[in-house]
Order: sequence, then C-alpha cells, then structure tokens
Amino acid sequence: TQLLEQSPQFLSIQEGENLTVYCNSSSVFSSLQWYRQEPGEGPVLLVTVVTGGEVKKLKRLTFQFGDARKDSSLHITAAQPGDTGLYLCAGAWTGQETSGSRLTFGEGTQLTVNP
Amino acid sequence: DSGVTQTPKHLITATGQRVTLRCSPRSGDLSVYWYQQSLDQGLQFLIQYYNGEERAKGNILERFSAQQFPDLHSELNLSSLELGDSALYFCASSVVGTNYYGYTFGSGTRLTVV
Repeated sequence: TQLLEQSPQFLSIQEGENLTVYCNSSSVFSSLQWYRQEPGEGPVLLVTVVTGGEVKKLKRLTFQFGDARKDSSLHITAAQPGDTGLYLCAGAWTGQETSGSRLTFGEGTQLTVNP
Repeated sequence: DSGVTQTPKHLITATGQRVTLRCSPRSGDLSVYWYQQSLDQGLQFLIQYYNGEERAKGNILERFSAQQFPDLHSELNLSSLELGDSALYFCASSVVGTNYYGYTFGSGTRLTVV
C-alpha cells in the first residue's frame, strides 16, 4: 500500500508570512497533484506535476516536484486570509495507469492565515 | 459550480437503513470516482467507473456498491448502515481514465447515521 505523508498537519500563521508544506512518499509517483479544500466543499485542483524537478507557479503559490518524483512541496508567499483551507496532495504511482487511475490522497495540511 | 453534481447534499438516517447517493459527472468526463472523507481517515478511495465499467476498487465495504449508468451518472448504494459510516462522500470525475488531468469534485453528500 502506497502512502502519502503530509507535513505539517496543522499550520497557523499571520497574514504576510511565507510557508511551505510537504508531501512525501517512499514510492515513485507517475504524477502528483495539489488540491485545496474549504469546509463543506469538495477539493479543488490547483496543479498537476509530472516531471521530476518540475516547478510550477500559480500567483503566490509555487509547487515543486522532487527530482526523484517521490516528494513535492507547496510554498506560499505573503499568505493571505483567503489562503486558509485544507491543502491536499494526491498521487498516482508508476504502473497504475493501466490498472485503474485512482489517486491516493494525503491527510492534508490545515492552514489558517490570521489577519 | 464545478460541473459535478451530487445529491442529496445532506442525509440523516438510522442504523440498519439503506441509502443511495447520486452523482452526475462533468460534461464530457467518462470516469467517475467515489471517495469517503472522515475526520480520522482523510479521503479514502472507494471505487472507480470508466464509461460504465468498474475500473478500480479501493477499500470499499461489501455493504457498499456502486454503478455507472449509460448516461454516465453514477450511484453509490450504502446498506446496513452503521454509525461509523457517517462521513462526507465525494464523487469526482475526470476526462479520461488516467490520472494526469486531475479530478473535478462535487460538493459532497454529508451522511449522518444515528
């Protein structure tokens, strides 16, 4: 069973601070995605990374995929209260593509940005 | 509106009962996935359908079953309900049966078993 570990589990910061959350696995991902979930809603896809070493930017969010495709990070610059939410990483592993394509989710990082 | 529609939004039922959750995928998406989200276990994969056929199965209980109909909507049936089945149930859809394009999630059905 492949597992995704996210850290930290909880993060509470002040508006304007920077933060990084991490997603790790002992297995090689074929792709990895980051989602953000707000209370009472389903997760919303932020980004998909596929290539080892890949870096993608989405406004103040920077996503990095590890060179070995076993880990990823999400960095938020100058966090705002609107960034508050549950950040989930989700991965699919090499070899899964033909047997079914379900994603395995980490347990998430609950981010609170205080004004 | 994500384009994935789940009904009902809330459901309260008694132990031992049976319920059906419904999901309409985003237009053009052939794959439908069901996930269960509880406070202590996060998002757990239940089952995937692709164009009407079961494609992958997770830790879905024998009391649970699902199907995808010709119009691509899907139903998740939960029977002999127990208190521990209380959770958020999400449906997601994707363009094709691979994982590269990400999922579009519905807003979920909150099931409370009393």
